[in-house]
Amino acid sequence: QLQLQESGPGLVKPSETLSLTCTVSGGSISSSSYHWAWIRQPPGKGLEWIGSIYYSGNTYYSPSLKSRVTISVDTSKNQFSLKLSSVTAADTAVYYCAREQASSSDSWGQGYLVTVSS
Amino acid sequence: QSALTQPPSASGSPGQSVTISCTGTSSDVGGYNQVSWYQQHPGKAPKRMIYEVSKRPSGVPDRFSGSKSGNTASLTVSGLQAEDEADYYCSSHAGSNNAHVVFGGGTKLTVL
Repeated sequence: QLQLQESGPGLVKPSETLSLTCTVSGGSISSSSYHWAWIRQPPGKGLEWIGSIYYSGNTYYSPSLKSRVTISVDTSKNQFSLKLSSVTAADTAVYYCAREQASSSDSWGQGYLVTVSS
Repeated sequence: QSALTQPPSASGSPGQSVTISCTGTSSDVGGYNQVSWYQQHPGKAPKRMIYEVSKRPSGVPDRFSGSKSGNTASLTVSGLQAEDEADYYCSSHAGSNNAHVVFGGGTKLTVL
């Protein structure tokens, strides 16, 4: 059974870079059938798609976050990562990683709260 | 402001049916048959209930159904049960030159 697990610092200072890693188990990140996505949810608010990556390294980003986001993949570790630069309090959210196919996420991590505060 | 528009709330009594709408544009909902619906209970990760407009993943009750007309997609929950009370989000593929995914703002479904 596929499992995804987010990890990284839970507290980031304003203006710094948020970095998270998603470790995939029970399946290969190199599968040609899937993309791997990051989605976030500010406390009490709705879901926001951040971007996704294919195992080959092709990336797709939200137009509203594109200037600050980098998603990368490490197939040797079966992991993919998110970097979000110049963070502010508005970037405080639960960050989910997910497996995506045809723009639909069928498996999700449990979510990881990242707080932006000095 | 979310890219896709959903009503903030919906409600129904046990056994009734309720329909949640999701309105976009010809650049997302209307342009692609890649609309999904997710159910989210408090403190939990979202769970996919519908994909490609009307397909139901294995294990999702057939009480859940999806449809689309023009730029508006809909999720119908028939035979409402207490455990259906949750937040529901729609999403769609968007953009031809800059492919991405957009979500709706979410609908809180209350079972009365």
